[in-house]
Amino acid sequence: AQRVTQPEKLLSVFKGAPVELKCNYSYSGSPELFWYVQYSRQRLQLLLRHISRESIKGFTADLNKGETSFHLKKPFAQEEDSAMYYCALRFPPNTGNQFYFGTGTSLTVIP
Amino acid sequence: KAGVTQTPRYLIKTRGQQVTLSCSPISGHRSVSWYQQTPGQGLQFLFEYFSETQRNKGNFPGRFSGRQFSNSRSEMNVSTLELGDSALYLCASSFGQGKNTGELFFGEGSRLTVL
Repeated sequence: AQRVTQPEKLLSVFKGAPVELKCNYSYSGSPELFWYVQYSRQRLQLLLRHISRESIKGFTADLNKGETSFHLKKPFAQEEDSAMYYCALRFPPNTGNQFYFGTGTSLTVIP
Repeated sequence: KAGVTQTPRYLIKTRGQQVTLSCSPISGHRSVSWYQQTPGQGLQFLFEYFSETQRNKGNFPGRFSGRQFSNSRSEMNVSTLELGDSALYLCASSFGQGKNTGELFFGEGSRLTVL
């Protein structure tokens, strides 16, 4: 069965420190993975998708099929990065918009 | 352009009642998905509608139903409400085809409390 796991509910880092938000998935095929973010008093929105191989707001995420992981990383955390982050798997891939979301990680960047 | 609009934003019902929630997608979006968000389970997929047809369905009981109209607006209905149905119900729209990059545009949600 498809499943997304985010092991950390809360994560605190100091400004300027590296940050890594963990995401592991269960899916036997080629996954389509995304990171969504919700800033305080804002709506849930797309941060990045693995297929685009893009860096958004300094964040990157690499798909590791061997470890079935899609961790989100940023080398130098900023205060404005404080938010709730959700990892998501779209299944079936390329068919519709059915997403499996992780339970989220709340990131706090300490000034 | 206007974002996804959900109504009502807050509502309180009692057990056994039914509720209807509405979602107006972004203009041009033909896919509307619904999610239930609770502190314990996080976001769980309910169903997706595309061009008035249910395209995907999550693992929720038949008490949860939805529909989509020709203008892409969608409604979801929950009948015979239970205490456990208390949650934030999120609607998300997207193009759903062609430009279906997997980017969902979420509404602010409808917070349902069942007493």
